[in-house]
Amino acid sequence: GQNIDQPTEMTATEGAIVQINCTYQTSGFNGLFWYQQHAGEAPTFLSYNVLDGLEEKGRFSSFLSRSKGYSYLLLKELQMKDSASYLCVRAPSGGYQKVTFGTGTKLQVIP
Amino acid sequence: GAVVSQHPSWVICKSGTSVKIECRSLDFQATTMFWYRQFPKQSLMLMATSNEGSKATYEQGVEKDKFLINHASLTLSTLTVTSAHPEDSSFYICSARKQGTGELFFGEGSRLTVL
Repeated sequence: GQNIDQPTEMTATEGAIVQINCTYQTSGFNGLFWYQQHAGEAPTFLSYNVLDGLEEKGRFSSFLSRSKGYSYLLLKELQMKDSASYLCVRAPSGGYQKVTFGTGTKLQVIP
Repeated sequence: GAVVSQHPSWVICKSGTSVKIECRSLDFQATTMFWYRQFPKQSLMLMATSNEGSKATYEQGVEKDKFLINHASLTLSTLTVTSAHPEDSSFYICSARKQGTGELFFGEGSRLTVL
């Protein structure tokens, strides 16, 4: 994807905590999404950050720093079903501009 | 939560035929919808941005005449793959941008197999 960087792959142990980082181009920024995508399925919405700070939703939390062009997705108490790709998606300013994707981070949770 | 419905989920067609895929936002209005293609083990690739009431904006390398996009209302966009060939076999996914909040929701995807 354009101007989005996130690790390609990560491995973590069941029950542990994992943090997936994402950096993006700051110009024309209008929010950052995180999606989860299991193989063969469409992405599902996890979070949307527009303001700086941490937003928590159960086992998943997402953090944003607009000045640094940085976000992370934090997954706690990992479960085997969390094995999936996690997509960092940047929404540009202006309703008609296209969104840009990162390549996604493939997370493998091991016993 | 907001729901985006995509139909059909699976479609198998003969080479040379055309296939239409629908993308509907069921409980919100979407001024902008996006169409993606995803090949196995690859990232989503944006094909085009569909704006209600105007022509779609296609990404470089995507043929406009082959992938016809119509966004006739604030809740419906369609993608028609014309004269499909086996290389068009892929997973096609739409997403809709919720008017107001800007949140982006994905359809379930449509798996196209061209024989």
